[in-house]
Amino acid sequence: GENVEQHPSTLSVQEGDSAVIKCTYSDSASNYFPWYKQELGKRPQLIIDIRSNVGEKKDQRIAVTLNKTAKHFSLHITETQPEDSAVYFCAARGLTGGGNKLTFGTGTQLKVEL
Amino acid sequence: DGGITQSPKYLFRKEGQNVTLSCEQNLNHDAMYWYRQDPGQGLRLIYYSQIVNDFQKGDIAEGYSVSREKKESFPLTVTSAQKNPTAFYLCASSMSSGSNTGELFFGEGSRLTVL
Repeated sequence: GENVEQHPSTLSVQEGDSAVIKCTYSDSASNYFPWYKQELGKRPQLIIDIRSNVGEKKDQRIAVTLNKTAKHFSLHITETQPEDSAVYFCAARGLTGGGNKLTFGTGTQLKVEL
Repeated sequence: DGGITQSPKYLFRKEGQNVTLSCEQNLNHDAMYWYRQDPGQGLRLIYYSQIVNDFQKGDIAEGYSVSREKKESFPLTVTSAQKNPTAFYLCASSMSSGSNTGELFFGEGSRLTVL
């Protein structure tokens, strides 16, 4: 099945700086890559996603890039703010073996310091 | 108010007891999922269901059971066979199980503690 690795596990940045979180996946047939944000004590929520037919997608301060050849994708947050502090999860939808399920990375705890 | 509701929010269980976690959605979603969240391990899939009366094992199904008798409901039973059941459990749903499946909508979670 699909295997997703996520790095770093913790990331601390100063307010206004950029943050980058990287993920790799194993199933070359995977075609959908979402990113979820989970604030402390709350449910995970989708912040951005990308499909395998595009290489980059941007939504205001958030962008995601995908390199299908290398099987890795990254989340970029610019001009970070304190409210960006949360745990971020990447995920990949693998098709090998049937089904339609997301495999998540282990998460990155982002802390934006004032 | 549409959404996905999990209950109970907190649950304590003695060793050897089975417990059932409830998950209900009124989003008219076809697919439903159960994930387990442990510190440093992300979200791991326990079971998922793409349609009523059908479900498949995820990556860590041992010691768990589910049913999908109604579209709106996908209860998870944590059995006494689950070796380490203390965890945070998240239920989710999505519009379709087809190739254009998009966003997962999560419930607020149920925290199970085995005493």
